[in-house]
Amino acid sequence: DSGVTQTPKHLITATGQRVTLRCSPRSGDLSVYWYQQSLDQGLQFLIQYYNGEERAKGNILERFSAQQFPDLHSELNLSSLELGDSALYFCASSEGLAGVTGELFFGEGSRLTVL
Amino acid sequence: SQQGEEDPQALSIQEGENATMNCSYKTSINNLQWYRQNSGRGLVHLILIRSNEREKHSGRLRVTLDTSKKSSSLLITASRAADTASYFCATDAVPASKLTFGTGTRLQVTL
Repeated sequence: DSGVTQTPKHLITATGQRVTLRCSPRSGDLSVYWYQQSLDQGLQFLIQYYNGEERAKGNILERFSAQQFPDLHSELNLSSLELGDSALYFCASSEGLAGVTGELFFGEGSRLTVL
Repeated sequence: SQQGEEDPQALSIQEGENATMNCSYKTSINNLQWYRQNSGRGLVHLILIRSNEREKHSGRLRVTLDTSKKSSSLLITASRAADTASYFCATDAVPASKLTFGTGTRLQVTL
């Protein structure tokens, strides 16, 4: 158990809908990262927050947004969903910044299926 | 875009054999990490090697880093069926702090 909790584990929805994925980092971790894993795209970095502030941005679509709250949990909002958004969405956390403190701890992911 | 590219994409070996996976990356890095992912599960950190290190060991794992060639290798010795998984390298490029993952090597260890 990594200590990172993601909900929901599975989500099935229709095109055009909006969903929210939630992540609780390990106790004491200030950084939260979101990644998208699909069969044809590998593991894509979406966005990183550090202590409530956006730190780095990757290949995140404008239809997607995220935030980190004062209690350090994070939410990833996906709107106007398309079939291609079907993927496994991972949250990871680290004590500090990856380059300084090292490893990321991953949750078990939220599997999103868009029909 | 992917910073790291693993090679081979897939590897099938028998239990007891050694498995070697390679990772190439494009830009200067702070550190390089290797992760393991069992099918459909979260990634698990295996080992981290910093840019000023050349080799590191952890149990049956041996990682090398050649910054001049921008490449790394992961060696798993005396492999077991339980080592069956996908293995990813991840780099933390200078000056950014995000971790960028490679495309992964799928390792199959058969009895």
